[in-house]
Amino acid sequence: DAGITQSPRHKVTETGTPVTLRCHQTENHRYMYWYRQDPGHGLRLIHYSYGVKDTDKGEVSDGYSVSRSKTEDFLLTLESATSSQTSVYFCATEYGGSDTQYFGPGTRLTVL
Amino acid sequence: KQEVTQIPAALSVPEGENLVLNCSFTDSAIYNLQWFRQDPGKGLTSLLLIQSSQREQTSGRLNASLDKSSGRSTLYIAASQPGDSATYLCAGQGAQKLVFGQGTRLTINP
Repeated sequence: DAGITQSPRHKVTETGTPVTLRCHQTENHRYMYWYRQDPGHGLRLIHYSYGVKDTDKGEVSDGYSVSRSKTEDFLLTLESATSSQTSVYFCATEYGGSDTQYFGPGTRLTVL
Repeated sequence: KQEVTQIPAALSVPEGENLVLNCSFTDSAIYNLQWFRQDPGKGLTSLLLIQSSQREQTSGRLNASLDKSSGRSTLYIAASQPGDSATYLCAGQGAQKLVFGQGTRLTINP
């Protein structure tokens, strides 16, 4: 598996506070993705990146922003967390544009 | 908009049985179809990827097929083992990137 780490692994925060989740990869994959996983909804794409400084929105991007200043790091920011953003967040990487995606271990975020 | 459906949502079988998990998708314009495994509290592990030009892929006891014309994929697991217990997800990759089904939770009983 690709070397993908996510930090933090668990976080509890309060409504209205900013939160940043980090995804770090060591495989030099071009594509990186952020998903959220919720009961009844499955995995849904939030944002993705197809290169340094190149990002685009996914299915559920409202309330989230991303940044990618170097190949190995992809940051997901909740500018003002809401309870509806309580979820498990997964990062994934992919070498090309239609290849296998490799997933990180996930971050469990609770917004009170 | 691509929609991916997996039926059944849960399946329980005795050890040693051969079984089939089903996945259907609405948009045949996919680049590939991927199957993943997810253990409780863990991330996803890629099992098989079938490119749109292929009809099947095999890895050990796993065989996945793809029929774009009917919008279906199946994952066949031979000689099931308790260690195969997990949630299995399929995902179609296209212009909207990966779209996931909600998974089939598989339990193999010793």
